Amino acid sequence: DAGVIQSPRHEVTEMGQEVTLRCKPISGHDYLFWYRQTMMRGLELLIYFNNNVPIDDSGMPEDRFSAKMPNASFSTLKIQPSEPRDSAVYFCASSLGRGEGNEQFFGPGTRLTVL
Amino acid sequence: KQEVTQIPAALSVPEGENLVLNCSFTDSAIYNLQWFRQDPGKGLTSLLLIQSSQREQTSGRLNASLDKSSGRSTLYIAASQPGDSATYLCAVIGSARQLTFGSGTQLTVLP
Repeated sequence: DAGVIQSPRHEVTEMGQEVTLRCKPISGHDYLFWYRQTMMRGLELLIYFNNNVPIDDSGMPEDRFSAKMPNASFSTLKIQPSEPRDSAVYFCASSLGRGEGNEQFFGPGTRLTVL
Repeated sequence: KQEVTQIPAALSVPEGENLVLNCSFTDSAIYNLQWFRQDPGKGLTSLLLIQSSQREQTSGRLNASLDKSSGRSTLYIAASQPGDSATYLCAVIGSARQLTFGSGTQLTVLP
């Protein structure tokens, strides 16, 4: 398996532009998570899905952020409009929820810079 | 709210030393605990997962222990190597399957 795939790996944009980050989870995994990592706040959970349904979006910082999972193999995280304080590394992770495993596997991340 | 603390924040050791990284959490009602490794500019690599019913897990030179009642976990690295240099993150998984991360321990193994 190729693991969790994220694109793009790097994104540089100007303040006010729309940014879309993409994620393909590991095939067969039924949980998908979006995290953000910054120097100041470390790793934070933004939102997670179970069977394509958003379960908890309490970590989404504000209405400028939205996430979708139209099918089991694809999810997007959108920021509109982007701001410099959104600059961070955004990680997607997936896990198989059945059983006691629940081990989460992370993608390589998207490094976002908003100028 | 679950809080995860890792001590020390940074550690520098000579090659060949055995070392212990510490992780503590405030809410003992966890499902699992997971240790990750993160190299600079890279993603997270899962090292070990300890289920709540287990007390330890081993993988090669790594051994992780879990004491739920005291809210502690340790990651033991035997015979450290320069290639072990990275940031090590501890994360606990609650019943809602959310990972709460510590701030990490930055390890440098000197040749």
